[in-house]
Amino acid sequence: GQQLNQSPQSMFIQEGEDVSMNCTSSSIFNTWLWYKQEPGEGPVLLIALYKAGELTSNGRLTAQFGITRKDSFLNISASIPSDVGIYFCAGRATDSWGKLQFGAGTQVVVTP
Amino acid sequence: DSGVTQTPKHLITATGQRVTLRCSPRSGDLSVYWYQQSLDQGLQFLIQYYNGEERAKGNILERFSAQQFPDLHSELNLSSLELGDSALYFCASSGIGKLEQFFGPGTRLTVL
Repeated sequence: GQQLNQSPQSMFIQEGEDVSMNCTSSSIFNTWLWYKQEPGEGPVLLIALYKAGELTSNGRLTAQFGITRKDSFLNISASIPSDVGIYFCAGRATDSWGKLQFGAGTQVVVTP
Repeated sequence: DSGVTQTPKHLITATGQRVTLRCSPRSGDLSVYWYQQSLDQGLQFLIQYYNGEERAKGNILERFSAQQFPDLHSELNLSSLELGDSALYFCASSGIGKLEQFFGPGTRLTVL
């Protein structure tokens, strides 16, 4: 089962609004990845984080690696209709070689 | 396009049957990962291969097996299929020393 807690489960927002979501873990992670999945497609990597406190942007997306190393946040600014999809966090624990744990996903719906 | 290819895109079969899913990683990637995604379970890690050898195992059933061939493509074999095996199966690959995983478009398996 899922070992990451991702919230919220879904978000219904208006175009132009900002979106925030987060993931928390009971384990210390050394890597956080954020993916977006659109219907019928595979997850697409958005942002990768490797150091506690790291803040990384990719266009209107900004993600942060939490100081405690047990959480991460993703923000989408000024949402547009094409932001619709399911956003997954994924993390790798310090004792796990390559094995990623995935959050349950946050479904984002953007209305005009 | 992530560079990871999977075939077939769709597969419909009956309970008790056996199927083989195929994945070709991105050029130069040595690691291949298999994931199962169903509606109520999210993305579940099944197994990882690195340069032909099994590296990590997740929640993979004994009815399922995988292998990675010398040309680095991988196959996931699912046998004695049950209705509950209906899901999307994704393959991902990563480069040497890299933690980011790039996903293929998936195979949608329907067991009737």
